[in-house]
Amino acid sequence: AQKITQTQPGMFVQEKEAVTLDCTYDTSDQSYGLFWYKQPSSGEMIFLIYQGSYDEQNATEGRYSLNFQKARKSANLVISASQLGDSAMYFCAMREDAGGTSYGKLTFGQGTILTVHP
Amino acid sequence: GAGVSQSPRYKVAKRGQDVALRCDPISGHVSLFWYQQALGQGPEFLTYFQNEAQLDKSGLPSDRFFAERPEGSVSTLKIQRTQQEDSAVYLCASSLQGRLYEQYFGPGTRLTVT
Repeated sequence: AQKITQTQPGMFVQEKEAVTLDCTYDTSDQSYGLFWYKQPSSGEMIFLIYQGSYDEQNATEGRYSLNFQKARKSANLVISASQLGDSAMYFCAMREDAGGTSYGKLTFGQGTILTVHP
Repeated sequence: GAGVSQSPRYKVAKRGQDVALRCDPISGHVSLFWYQQALGQGPEFLTYFQNEAQLDKSGLPSDRFFAERPEGSVSTLKIQRTQQEDSAVYLCASSLQGRLYEQYFGPGTRLTVT
């Protein structure tokens, strides 16, 4: 079974509009972390936002927010006021903390290509 | 720069050649990770170092893959007798020990095996 599922291979959004990128995860751990990374065509993975499994509030970082629904095991990324520079591949990733001995290894989804239209 | 650096950025190898990919983590970062990213896919974990100790190499796809970090800073990923299926981007990431909420990635090395 996939640990991280991103069901949207590609998404399109109009500049200045908001867009939601979906991510569902599968883990039996109680403690885990969820990440979103942006990968532009240059190839570098850029950290966007982090949500810990015990965090009660949804994480926000500027125009990025993470819609964390623990019971549904979903961690969707919301980008508000899209900009042309947001066009890139977006990856959801999970860190599992089995037995509290995690060192940070990440498992990634397949990614979603976001295209922002002017 | 203060980020993770990798070299070379691009490498073309003929099938059967050995290659060595270098990663310079952020200064002071104890944890170092290597990931492999096939075209159109998400990165997949290869191996993990804490200082010079390789604590997890469960993701290395075969015994042709070898990684080292002898002095606990720079790391080298070596692939022996390269095969076409080794063509991918190899990403290095580092973090401070215990900082499980952040991991900084380098630009990657794109390996093409012909």
